[in-house]
Amino acid sequence: DADVTQTPRNRITKTGKRIMLECSQTKGHDRMYWYRQDPGLGLRLIYYSFDVKDINKGEISDGYSVSRQAQAKFSLSLESAIPNQTALYFCATSGGQGKQFFGPGTRLTVL
Amino acid sequence: GNSVTQMEGPVTLSEEAFLTINCTYTATGYPSLFWYVQYPGEGLQLLLKATKADDKGSNKGFEATYRKETTSFHLEKGSVQVSDSAVYFCALMSDTGRRALTFGSGTRLQVQP
Repeated sequence: DADVTQTPRNRITKTGKRIMLECSQTKGHDRMYWYRQDPGLGLRLIYYSFDVKDINKGEISDGYSVSRQAQAKFSLSLESAIPNQTALYFCATSGGQGKQFFGPGTRLTVL
Repeated sequence: GNSVTQMEGPVTLSEEAFLTINCTYTATGYPSLFWYVQYPGEGLQLLLKATKADDKGSNKGFEATYRKETTSFHLEKGSVQVSDSAVYFCALMSDTGRRALTFGSGTRLQVQP
């Protein structure tokens, strides 16, 4: 089984809809991250969490919110999706020292 | 703030050719440097890392040396294979402030048989 799983893997939604992307990990790591990937821009950090009670904004948090329900679960929400949030979203975990373990990604399309 | 600049892609090489992908960075303090690789349809995987000046990271025939004087961390491989075709990301993590990775824009490598 994969160490970091993301659901759904693909999602098409309409402008204005609320959507939640979920991430679960079995690595026992405290640190979890959400990134978005856009062509030519690399990965940009949306939110990160160093434990259940610690949530921090990244570079591009506007329009997003997160919830750390447990050490193993970190969800990303788009309260009112807009087309420029169409992207590939990755969850990652880390035990420290910079090495991060990435999930397979969620491809989100907002029409 | 921190930033990472990579050479534009795609880079197209024939099998067994020599590979260099340039990476330079801007950061305060003494960052750790990383190369991640993304194979088609997958998430990123750590390829190699270096945590201090003059360190050389290596893995699977790839190497990169942390050059503080030129703020660079160029990725090299002596003989590429078709299976090396992927997108390569240079990244840094600062030793102060936000303990999260800052990524470059990625360089796509295509290796032809």
